[in-house]
Amino acid sequence: QSALTQPASVSGSPGQSITISCTGTSSDVGSYNLVSWYQQHPGKAPKLMIYEGSKRPSGVSNRFSGSKSGNTASLTISGLQAEDEADYYCCSYAGSSAWVFGGGTKLTVL
Amino acid sequence: EVQLVESGGGLVQPGRSLRLSCAASGFTFDDYAMHWVRQAPGKGLEWVSGISWNSGSIGYADSVKGRFTISRDNAKNSLYLQMNSLRAEDTALYYCAKDIMGGELLPPGGFDYWGQGTLVTVSS
Repeated sequence: QSALTQPASVSGSPGQSITISCTGTSSDVGSYNLVSWYQQHPGKAPKLMIYEGSKRPSGVSNRFSGSKSGNTASLTISGLQAEDEADYYCCSYAGSSAWVFGGGTKLTVL
Repeated sequence: EVQLVESGGGLVQPGRSLRLSCAASGFTFDDYAMHWVRQAPGKGLEWVSGISWNSGSIGYADSVKGRFTISRDNAKNSLYLQMNSLRAEDTALYYCAKDIMGGELLPPGGFDYWGQGTLVTVSS
């Protein structure tokens, strides 16, 4: 159960698109198209943004999208807005009834 | 409205035990698997444990296996985490989270509702 690898930080200007990567192994991300993504603002509980790799829960903006290629999952945010500035975490099923999170990525909207 | 309210956190000495509780409301509790996720101060999220609707399937992170026990009482709409042999590295905010998919741990989906967390500090 090793943590998934995410970039420590990404940044973009309002209106731009950014992508956050999440790299695992053939035992987690690579084996299951079941990555979820969470947004966390300072002092707040995480919020589910994407589940099952690319599905959005009700109420989540369609500016958020998820994809996967091999052992790497990605979260893309289009039309960046100031309120998107937050920490983002990916999470994958890792087999044997266990899950693993990524280390988190701090998104800065310039 | 879905609500998850954690309790039971506090300051505890290394090697001692603590039991966390999570009171759920606003949804049919026994229709969903539940999880515990923790976050050390200034650090990232770490999945701790998950339990299916009928306690038939349970999983633990390697870091807590053999020391922590997850359980639930569907009659009381409550989730629990018994933490034994606590270590300094267990210091964290512990969140209770609801599974989005349904009652089983598989297929795994995501965690769609979270509580506000209860803080556990392990220190002498």
